[in-house]
Amino acid sequence: AQRVTQPEKLLSVFKGAPVELKCNYSYSGSPELFWYVQYSRQRLQLLLRHISRESIKGFTADLNKGETSFHLKKPFAQEEDSAMYYCALSENTGFQKLVFGTGTRLLVSP
Amino acid sequence: GAGVSQSPSNKVTEKGKDVELRCDPISGHTALYWYRQSLGQGLEFLIYFQGNSAPDKSGLPSDRFSAERTGGSVSTLTIQRTQQEDSAVYLCASSLAPGLYNEQFFGPGTRLTVL
Repeated sequence: AQRVTQPEKLLSVFKGAPVELKCNYSYSGSPELFWYVQYSRQRLQLLLRHISRESIKGFTADLNKGETSFHLKKPFAQEEDSAMYYCALSENTGFQKLVFGTGTRLLVSP
Repeated sequence: GAGVSQSPSNKVTEKGKDVELRCDPISGHTALYWYRQSLGQGLEFLIYFQGNSAPDKSGLPSDRFSAERTGGSVSTLTIQRTQQEDSAVYLCASSLAPGLYNEQFFGPGTRLTVL
């Protein structure tokens, strides 16, 4: 069965510190991985996806198939990064329903 | 242009009542998804519509849940005989078409509380 695990409910860091939000997945096939973000009082939105190999707002994520991980990283956190972050996966075939983790709240303090 | 809209934003109902939740996808988007987020849980897939094809209902938790999409646009999620465990935020998303390169755009959600 498909599963996404985000072990941390809350991650609290100071501005300028490095950030790593952990995400592990289980899936028998070859999934596609995503990070979604929800800022306070805003709707859920796509942050980045593995297939695009992109860096958004200074965030990057590397797919490690050996460790089945897709951790989200940023070298220097900013206060505006404070939000709820969700890791998600979808099958690489057919329609793309998303399987989400439970989310990690990132709090960046000044 | 306008994003995905959902109504109502909040719904409080009594156990046993039926509720209808509405989703207006982005114009031109052929794929529409329903998810729900229960307290402390990740978002859970419920149902998927693509054009005029039969919907994928594999995520619906019970036969009390049903959904339809009229004219390939607006969708309604209906929950019959609501139970307290149905309390959650129900999210709708749409994408231009199914496919990994087509981003799912989410609505603001409907918060359902069953007393």
